[in-house]
Amino acid sequence: GAVVSQHPSRVICKSGTSVKIECRSLDFQATTMFWYRQFPKKSLMLMATSNEGSKATYEQGVEKDKFLINHASLTLSTLTVTSAHPEDSSFYICSAIAGTSYNEQFFGPGTRLTVL
Amino acid sequence: GENVEQHPSTLSVQEGDSAVIKCTYSDSASNYFPWYKQELGKRPQLIIDIRSNVGEKKDQRIAVTLNKTAKHFSLHITETQPEDSAVYFCAASIRNTDKLIFGTGTRLQVFP
Repeated sequence: GAVVSQHPSRVICKSGTSVKIECRSLDFQATTMFWYRQFPKKSLMLMATSNEGSKATYEQGVEKDKFLINHASLTLSTLTVTSAHPEDSSFYICSAIAGTSYNEQFFGPGTRLTVL
Repeated sequence: GENVEQHPSTLSVQEGDSAVIKCTYSDSASNYFPWYKQELGKRPQLIIDIRSNVGEKKDQRIAVTLNKTAKHFSLHITETQPEDSAVYFCAASIRNTDKLIFGTGTRLQVFP
C-alpha cells in the first residue's frame, strides 16, 4: 500500500516551453502532497506544499508564478514548470501523506527534467 | 530558519563493520525524524523513523537514537553489506507541521 506514481519519469524540452508533471497516490487519498527539487549530488529541497482544494504554499525563494501547482483531487497534484530554462533542469520528486499515517511521507519515483 | 546538519558527507566502511551517521537539528519543536536511503536516480526510501517521545528505535541491523536535549539524532547500521551502499538522508519535521527539512546527505560505501 501507499504507492505514489509520477509521470513522466523523464522529459526533455526546449527552453521557453512549459512542462507538466503529475503526481498520483494510487491506493490512498492524500490529504497533503509535497513537491521537492533535487540537484545532482544534493539534498531534497522542499518547493511547496499542496493541499486538495486550496492554494499551494510555497517555500521562500520559490517563484509561484513559475512553478504552478494544482491539487485537483485527493489523488492528484500537478506541477507545471512554466517557461522552463536550463537552470530549471533537475530531479523533481513529489511525496504524499495519507490521512492515517501521521507524518510519514510516501515518495514518488521522481521526474528528471532536462531543459535544452 | 530551520536547519539540519548531517555528518559525515562520505563514509567508507568494510563489509561487516558498523556505520554511524549523525544529524543535528535547530527547531526545538521538531517531533518527527525519518531516515531515508536513496540510490542513484531513485526515490528516497524510508528505512527507519523516530518520534520525539522515544529515545531509541531498532529494526534488525538499523537503529536510530534521539537526544532531544542536544537536538541530535543518529543512524546506526550494523553488519554492513555492499547493498547498503547508497546516499542516506536524515530529516526533521518543521515545527508541528508535516513538512520536512532534509540533511545534506551521506554517501555510504561498503567495500566487500
